[in-house]
Amino acid sequence: DQQVKQNSPSLSVQEGRISILNCDYTNSMFDYFLWYKKYPAEGPTFLISISSIKDKNEDGRFTVFLNKSAKHLSLHIVPSQPGDSAVYFCAASLRLSGNEKLTFGTGTRLTIIP
Amino acid sequence: DADVTQTPRNRITKTGKRIMLECSQTKGHDRMYWYRQDPGLGLRLIYYSFDVKDINKGEISDGYSVSRQAQAKFSLSLESAIPNQTALYFCATSDLPASGAAGELFFGEGSRLTVL
Repeated sequence: DQQVKQNSPSLSVQEGRISILNCDYTNSMFDYFLWYKKYPAEGPTFLISISSIKDKNEDGRFTVFLNKSAKHLSLHIVPSQPGDSAVYFCAASLRLSGNEKLTFGTGTRLTIIP
Repeated sequence: DADVTQTPRNRITKTGKRIMLECSQTKGHDRMYWYRQDPGLGLRLIYYSFDVKDINKGEISDGYSVSRQAQAKFSLSLESAIPNQTALYFCATSDLPASGAAGELFFGEGSRLTVL
């Protein structure tokens, strides 16, 4: 049972345009959501997060939006740059008595076309 | 030098062999994790440890075991490797998340294991 889903395995976007990566979840108890970026032959690196009590968090070119009623979050990258080409994972955090764990989505491969 | 180091980076082995993947960290974190990545399945949690005396199963622990030798070291073992354990394995660490913080994970560079 996949609690965190990324339904688009891949996405191609022109350089300079906006990239929108989507993520859906099923557990309404998740309290934080995170995005990770992964380049080939490297481990994932943290990109941006959002608390479940907020609906938007912005960091430079990256903005994450959370729609709790729809159990949906999205990552917007604008403007997109060639270095943004990577696999992006969304993840959700569930804190139960301090036993926080992250549940990851399946990933979306973003390709920025120069 | 990487904060989270995994060895070996690549390994090819045969069905039935015992394999150990090692992870060491210099971040001083108490929490350590082992994930595997498979195409189309994302990152799935195998085992995690919140301190030296704490070991917990993740969502796919069958066929795996772990050892937390010290705060900085967390190893993953496949007692009798099978082909469907062919995957990319990641070790990660985290600190106790501060109030209001997401509690991010810091990953190693991965260990690619192929079981023939």
